[in-house]
Amino acid sequence: GAGVSQSPRYKVAKRGQDVALRCDPISGHVSLFWYQQALGQGPEFLTYFQNEAQLDKSGLPSDRFFAERPEGSVSTLKIQRTQQEDSAVYLCASSLGTGGDLGAYTFGSGTRLTVV
Amino acid sequence: RKEVEQDPGPFNVPEGATVAFNCTYSNSASQSFFWYRQDCRKEPKLLMSVYSSGNEDGRFTAQLNRASQYISLLIRDSKLSDSATYLCVVSSGGSYIPTFGRGTSLIVHP
Repeated sequence: GAGVSQSPRYKVAKRGQDVALRCDPISGHVSLFWYQQALGQGPEFLTYFQNEAQLDKSGLPSDRFFAERPEGSVSTLKIQRTQQEDSAVYLCASSLGTGGDLGAYTFGSGTRLTVV
Repeated sequence: RKEVEQDPGPFNVPEGATVAFNCTYSNSASQSFFWYRQDCRKEPKLLMSVYSSGNEDGRFTAQLNRASQYISLLIRDSKLSDSATYLCVVSSGGSYIPTFGRGTSLIVHP
């Protein structure tokens, strides 16, 4: 596609509910990142995929968070038993490169998750 | 200490003013540097890369100071449309995981 597509755009979940957020990166982009952005803060790194391999998941805040990219394209971020502190915008970004130009990547519009 | 630090502002400047932001980073092995712009309730968008020799794009100039471990962004002749949050991004390490600062808010008023 022309850009990075994320769905849903907005999600309201009851505390304890499981949610799944989808990211469809730019076609052919090798690198895919998930970030969490709280209000008034910069994006915080969650996890990184190079093709289908999850190379870094050090930013996932707890074992309730899980991400996958089984075929090296679309990725899903799953949050189990959502808590109020999970409320944030979840941003996905992709990049053609895998090396020093890794920061030059394109973001999706994000999913705004509100846990009530 | 956070890996990438920025003054959150806001920087409130009149149209036509010149404004500069700094961003400090803690990892001396950092290798790639960028400025992103984020409008309210929108996603971040790449503004410019920051090279060792500096980088200029129209009214925007970015500089890297490795000795003091900071990057800067200078905006000349500010426009109302420059109002946004400017995010500093630094990547380092074997996986080059980019780390974002919290952003600096710029408000340009008439």
